[in-house]
Amino acid sequence: DIVMTQTPLSSPVTLGQPASISCRSSQSLVRSDGNTYLSWLQLRPGHPPRLLIYEISKRFSGVPDRFSGSGAGTDFTLKISRVEAEDVGVYYCMQATEFPHTFGGGTKVEIE
Amino acid sequence: EVQLVESGGGLVQPGGSLRLSCVASGFTFSQYWMSWVRQGPGKGLEWVANINLDGSARHYVDSMKGRFTISRDNVKNSLYLQMNNVRAEDTAVYYCARYLYYGDYWGRGTLVLVSS
Repeated sequence: DIVMTQTPLSSPVTLGQPASISCRSSQSLVRSDGNTYLSWLQLRPGHPPRLLIYEISKRFSGVPDRFSGSGAGTDFTLKISRVEAEDVGVYYCMQATEFPHTFGGGTKVEIE
Repeated sequence: EVQLVESGGGLVQPGGSLRLSCVASGFTFSQYWMSWVRQGPGKGLEWVANINLDGSARHYVDSMKGRFTISRDNVKNSLYLQMNNVRAEDTAVYYCARYLYYGDYWGRGTLVLVSS
């Protein structure tokens, strides 16, 4: 199985400041079709999971442009350019390149 | 508006069975792969299974193969998860998601508690 490792586990951030989350896969996520199926999700208490980014860097409909994704191969990053109060929650990377699909362990973003 | 509403969770004894349902609306259900994803208490997300458009292809995480069965009814716009021989470690919130290579819409989840 592909292991997804996220760092940090927790990210205290000042409102208006940037935040960055790293995700590393145990093997390349480039699929035979040339696509890389790495996505980022947000979980907030009382809300269903929310897709933020798919295929490394494509922002999902309605997602603010302060969220961005980058990376390639085995190393990926989610960045929040200016953290807002509503961004508090746990963020997960996920790979769907190979079965079973697997998630990172999650990164908690909180306001300090 | 895309909506996914799960139901069927509850308390079940170890070794027992439970059937989860997810009713979809706001999109053409038969044109999308669907998945179940769970989150145990204090744990992260875990992909459970997914199913293709007509139900002819299904994929599972190894620990649930043979115990869980994903299915769908495209007439009823519904996704199901039959859970048999459940274990304490199956305790989780189970989410239904519209999903192939990423889950773009998710339900709010249904809680399954496995306990005697």
